[in-house]
Amino acid sequence: DAGITQSPRHKVTETGTPVTLRCHQTENHRYMYWYRQDPGHGLRLIHYSYGVKDTDKGEVSDGYSVSRSKTEDFLLTLESATSSQTSVYFCAIRGTGASPGSYNEQFFGPGTRLTVL
Amino acid sequence: QKEVEQNSGPLSVPEGAIASLNCTYSDRGSQSFFWYRQYSGKSPELIMFIYSNGDKEDGRFTAQLNKASQYVSLLIRDSQPSDSATYLCVREAGTALIFGKGTTLSVSS
Repeated sequence: DAGITQSPRHKVTETGTPVTLRCHQTENHRYMYWYRQDPGHGLRLIHYSYGVKDTDKGEVSDGYSVSRSKTEDFLLTLESATSSQTSVYFCAIRGTGASPGSYNEQFFGPGTRLTVL
Repeated sequence: QKEVEQNSGPLSVPEGAIASLNCTYSDRGSQSFFWYRQYSGKSPELIMFIYSNGDKEDGRFTAQLNKASQYVSLLIRDSQPSDSATYLCVREAGTALIFGKGTTLSVSS
C-alpha cells in the first residue's frame, strides 16, 4: 500500500461545470502523476509534479490544469468539463527507486470514475 | 509518441500452464521496463521491472528483455485463475512512463 487516496471515487457532472479531483499521499514522495485510462487508449499521462508548485504537462494536458501547494496533495481540475473527459482518472506516485533500474517505478491510487453528461 | 505495442488478447491458458505475454517498443533509448497487472475495475499494480538484457525471475514470474530486438516479455508459470487480469507492458521515458494498451489473460480452471 503506497498510501495514496483519491477523492471522490465516483463523480457524475454536467458539461461545462468545473471539476476538481484530489490525490493525497502520506509518504512524502516528490513526484506525483495524473493519468486517464480509456478503452482502446490505455493509460495516458495528463500532468505531473516534481515538487511543490512544480508541474509539467503530459501527453493529453489540454482541458486540464493541476496544482500542488503541499507535498501530499496534487489536484487535477477540469475547468469546464466536456463529455470527452469522461474517463477513469488515476493518480500515481514515484517510488524511492532503491533498486537499480527502478527509479521510475510508479504506484497507483484507487482511481476516480468521472462521467460528464 | 513512441509506442509500446501489445497484443490485446484475450490470451487463454489452462490452469497450471505457462502464460507468455509479449510486447515490443520503438524507442531504443528506453532503459527500464515494467509489467503491471490490472484487475477489472481496479488500479494497475506493479509486478516487476527489468532493465538489463536477459531474464529476471520473481516467484512464478519471469521478465525477459532483449534490447537489440526491442522486445519484452513476461512469463507466468503455473498459471492460476487469480492471474486472470490485464497485463500492461510499460517503458520508462525520462520522468514519465509509456503504457501499452495491455493484454488480457484468462486462466481457466
